Amino acid sequence: GQQLNQSPQSMFIQEGEDVSMNCTSSSIFNTWLWYKQDPGEGPVLLIALYKAGELTSNGRLTAQFGITRKDSFLNISASIPSDVGIYFCAGVTRFMNYGGSQGNLIFGKGTKLSVKP
Amino acid sequence: GAGVSQSPSNKVTEKGKDVELRCDPISGHTALYWYRQSLGQGLEFLIYFQGNSAPDKSGLPSDRFSAERTGGSVSTLTIQRTQQEDSAVYLCASSSTGNSPLHFGNGTRLTVT
Repeated sequence: GQQLNQSPQSMFIQEGEDVSMNCTSSSIFNTWLWYKQDPGEGPVLLIALYKAGELTSNGRLTAQFGITRKDSFLNISASIPSDVGIYFCAGVTRFMNYGGSQGNLIFGKGTKLSVKP
Repeated sequence: GAGVSQSPSNKVTEKGKDVELRCDPISGHTALYWYRQSLGQGLEFLIYFQGNSAPDKSGLPSDRFSAERTGGSVSTLTIQRTQQEDSAVYLCASSSTGNSPLHFGNGTRLTVT
């Protein structure tokens, strides 16, 4: 089935550093989403990308929908301690056989951001 | 409420017992999803509802798992004869129709002893 390869699996950040993570797939997706999950909570949507080549910012976050529609990256600039958590990419497919615009998300396995000891 | 609500937030049950998990989606959202997240893992798709029907149940791990949705709103995920490997966080999400991002609840943490 369709899979997303998200990297890195984990990384340590020092306050003020820029952070970058990405997702790739052998399949084409219609939409790319980036979520952040804090402990004990559900994932929260950070950025949604709907068009190939689209570059979208949300504060210190910037994400791009790859031109091939098979990849996306997320950058965090000038990281702060509250950026720690798990970041998930997700690609949206469409079930065309259902005759409508219904979708399902395929999630990457996440990138865990921790503070450098 | 303003967001997706799940209950209970935590559930501890003995192996072999049945459990029922509840999800209240955002009002007006017609699409509802159940995901499972094991410790340190990503999100595993279980089932998707559009209205009261489930076009995709392909993620349900076994016939011990079932879900229903009534009135186009509340959904319950039922796990029969729970096993220890069922221990995980079960997340519910909803979205409006079409290509809309999912909004997640905080999940139910299930522990099977």
